[in-house]
Order: sequence, then C-alpha cells, then structure tokens
Amino acid sequence: EIQLVQSGAEVKKPGESLTIACQASGYTFTSYWIGWVRQMPGKGLEWMGIIYPGDSDTRYSPSFQGQVTISADKSISTAYLQWTSLKASDSGIYYCARHVLRNSAWLEYWGQGTLVTVSS
Amino acid sequence: QSVLTQPPSASGTPGETVTISCSGSSSNVGFNYVYWYQHLPGTAPKLLIYRNNQRPSGVPDRFSGSNSGTSASLAINGLRSEDEADYYCGTWDDSLNDRVVFGGGTKLTVL
Repeated sequence: EIQLVQSGAEVKKPGESLTIACQASGYTFTSYWIGWVRQMPGKGLEWMGIIYPGDSDTRYSPSFQGQVTISADKSISTAYLQWTSLKASDSGIYYCARHVLRNSAWLEYWGQGTLVTVSS
Repeated sequence: QSVLTQPPSASGTPGETVTISCSGSSSNVGFNYVYWYQHLPGTAPKLLIYRNNQRPSGVPDRFSGSNSGTSASLAINGLRSEDEADYYCGTWDDSLNDRVVFGGGTKLTVL
C-alpha cells in the first residue's frame, strides 16, 4: 500500500526555523516526484514546489522561491520542507503529494497534512 | 487570486446534477490536462478526475469531467449528502514559470 505519512503539528514563534517531513512507503521513492502544497486558513490549495528524490532535482513555484527549501533523503524515503525564519503568514496546513508525472497536476497520493501555526 | 477561476460555491439537493466550472487560459487549461480534487476539511485531498475525464479506481461514475478550450468542468450526478466538500481543479501552467496551478476551490453544499 502506497502511503505518505507526514510529521505532526507544529507551533512556532516568528523567526524560528522549522522542518517538516513526509515519509513515503509502498513504492520506489526515487522514481516519483514529490510535491508540497499549502493551504492557508480558510483558503485554497497552492502548489509550492517539487523534488525528484532520485537526483534531488528541485523546482519551486515563483511564489515560494527563496521562502522555503525542499529536500529529500532517499536513504529513509523522506521528503522535507524547511523554513529558516518563519512568519505568521506561514501558518497553514502543508501537504506532500506524489506526482505521477513531472509537468502535470496529477497528484495521485497525498499525505495527511501537517498543521503549522506561527504565532508570538 | 488564483490562476484558475472556479465559482466559490455551488449547491444542490440529493439526486440532482451539479456542475462546477474551471476557467483558465491557453497556457494552462487550454493546453494541459485538468485534474479534479475533492477535499473534506481535516483530510487529505482526494484525486477525483485525472486527464480531463478519467476516474481513478474507486471513484463512482457519478463524477465526470470534461474540457473544452480554456474551460473545464466537473459534473456530479445523483448528488448525495457525502458529496458535500470543497472541489478544486488543477493543471500545469506552461507560462514563464512552469508550475501547478489550482482553482480557488468550490464549496459544494448538499441541501
């Protein structure tokens, strides 16, 4: 069974750093792109970027370029989303999802989401 | 402001047919496959339609998708109470900055 299991909810203060994780199982981790999607409170889905764990090729949506870092550790089949200095506007639910194809919105499997709350 | 335009809300009574539209441009809907997702609060989004009109295994045939020019639509026939959810269209955008783009979402209420 293919699963993406994300790390638990986080409560942070502005300026703090954070890394959330997405552990994959049930398929060859290095063969599929993994993307990250944000949902801010009361808002819709926003695609943040994508990584190919096989070679760590990473692409970012312009809105998130320079704001976050996407990485992966293929030895433990885990993708990461990292912030170095959180802002209150980073609060939201973050989902990882497995892309079927690189240049498509075909997101076949999703993680359960990680709630990030940034508040002073 | 989402790149793809969806109505913010839709509603229908059980048994009715509801259609949700998704409008884009030649760099996204007009050129690439459209995908639809069903999202219940507190859960992961679920792929409902892929490649414009294909249903993944397990998705009832009450759900159907279509695409014409720069617009796509999702139809839900025989509406059921459990269909009450948020629905998002998504596609790849081939403009200057390649990326996945989503519609703003449509909240479907079953009256």
